[in-house]
Amino acid sequence: EAGVTQFPSHSVIEKGQTVTLRCDPISGHDNLYWYRRVMGKEIKFLLHFVKESKQDESGMPNNRFLAERTGGTYSTLKVQPAELEDSGVYFCASSQRGWGEYTGELFFGEGSRLTVL
Amino acid sequence: GQNIDQPTEMTATEGAIVQINCTYQTSGFNGLFWYQQHAGEAPTFLSYTVLDGLEEKGRFSSFLSRSKGYSYLLLKELQMKDSASYLCAGGRDDKIIFGKGTRLHILP
Repeated sequence: EAGVTQFPSHSVIEKGQTVTLRCDPISGHDNLYWYRRVMGKEIKFLLHFVKESKQDESGMPNNRFLAERTGGTYSTLKVQPAELEDSGVYFCASSQRGWGEYTGELFFGEGSRLTVL
Repeated sequence: GQNIDQPTEMTATEGAIVQINCTYQTSGFNGLFWYQQHAGEAPTFLSYTVLDGLEEKGRFSSFLSRSKGYSYLLLKELQMKDSASYLCAGGRDDKIIFGKGTRLHILP
């Protein structure tokens, strides 16, 4: 079974440019999360989709960030225009709440490293 | 608040035992997670604890005291491949809040 995949693995752009990160969750997982790790800091929550709906976007830094999950399958995270402080590793994770007790496990992708120059 | 505190780095010797502590100050956490992350790789799930006490899973055990806001991850019979960052995280609603992680170095 394929895990969570993210593309690109590394992107280097200049300040002011646009970047779009893509995440393909594990098939059948309704819950999709975006997290970000800036160097030296903790992995921080950005937002959470349940299917195609944004359940919680309280962690989105500002309106330069736009996340979509059309059709409830893959998701994209667009940064426009990118700023220096946006550099970091963007992780996507997915989970499927099964019937019964919630196990809590998130399955993470390997991350997309964004470098803004 | 949702502060999650854990040591930044620890060093231990191959074959030994190490305990990584985590304290948290938060309300509303459903449970406490531990994730392992090797450099450049995805975080991988180790444990999720909702009840007080010790849970053993092979070489790894996790302890939780909800009243004290305290957890630890115990790693036994350390192997070189255990060199990684260990992330303590709290689960609330449907999202996970991470600490900064503890980078564990294993010496031969």
